[in-house]
Amino acid sequence: AQKITQTQPGMFVQEKEAVTLDCTYDTSDQSYGLFWYKQPSSGEMIFLIYQGSYDEQNATEGRYSLNFQKARKSANLVISASQLGDSAMYFCAMREGYSSASKIIFGSGTRLSIRP
Amino acid sequence: DAGVIQSPRHEVTEMGQEVTLRCKPISGHNSLFWYRQTMMRGLELLIYFNNNVPIDDSGMPEDRFSAKMPNASFSTLKIQPSEPRDSAVYFCASGRDRGNTIYFGEGSWLTVV
Repeated sequence: AQKITQTQPGMFVQEKEAVTLDCTYDTSDQSYGLFWYKQPSSGEMIFLIYQGSYDEQNATEGRYSLNFQKARKSANLVISASQLGDSAMYFCAMREGYSSASKIIFGSGTRLSIRP
Repeated sequence: DAGVIQSPRHEVTEMGQEVTLRCKPISGHNSLFWYRQTMMRGLELLIYFNNNVPIDDSGMPEDRFSAKMPNASFSTLKIQPSEPRDSAVYFCASGRDRGNTIYFGEGSWLTVV
């Protein structure tokens, strides 16, 4: 069965520093996708970045990058040059397979707080 | 393009009442997910549909919960009878085949007193 683990319940980081949010996953499927979402205090779920299991390069989207280490089954989110607006909950998620008929499950989340 | 639309945004109801949450997915999307978020249990997948067909409802907590998707542009999640422990934010999300993300609605904040 697929499983997502986020071991950091909360993190404090100084503004402008880089931050890494940890995510490990477990699946027996060779084809899968990994996602990161941001949930600010207002409650909406905002998609940040996606990595497919067959993608050879790490995904990047602006200040967000995904450090994908397939052998270690980890998909850490790296935020460069953190900003006060990055303070939020961050969720890692996984889909087994690439079909829309596959379920997507979420980790427990990491609360990131950026200090000015 | 309009995003995922959920209604109501907020609902306060008394224990024992029926609650119906509604979702309109993004046009052209063929998968639809219902999640429940609480402080204690995080984001739980309740049920998801593909091409209007329920694929996995193993996350539905008990028989009081039911979900339907009568067509590609509408889904409901019903709780009958509601209980205080059902208080949560209920999210609907939709995606398309081979898409690299699912898009969430703004959530329905349910309080059962």
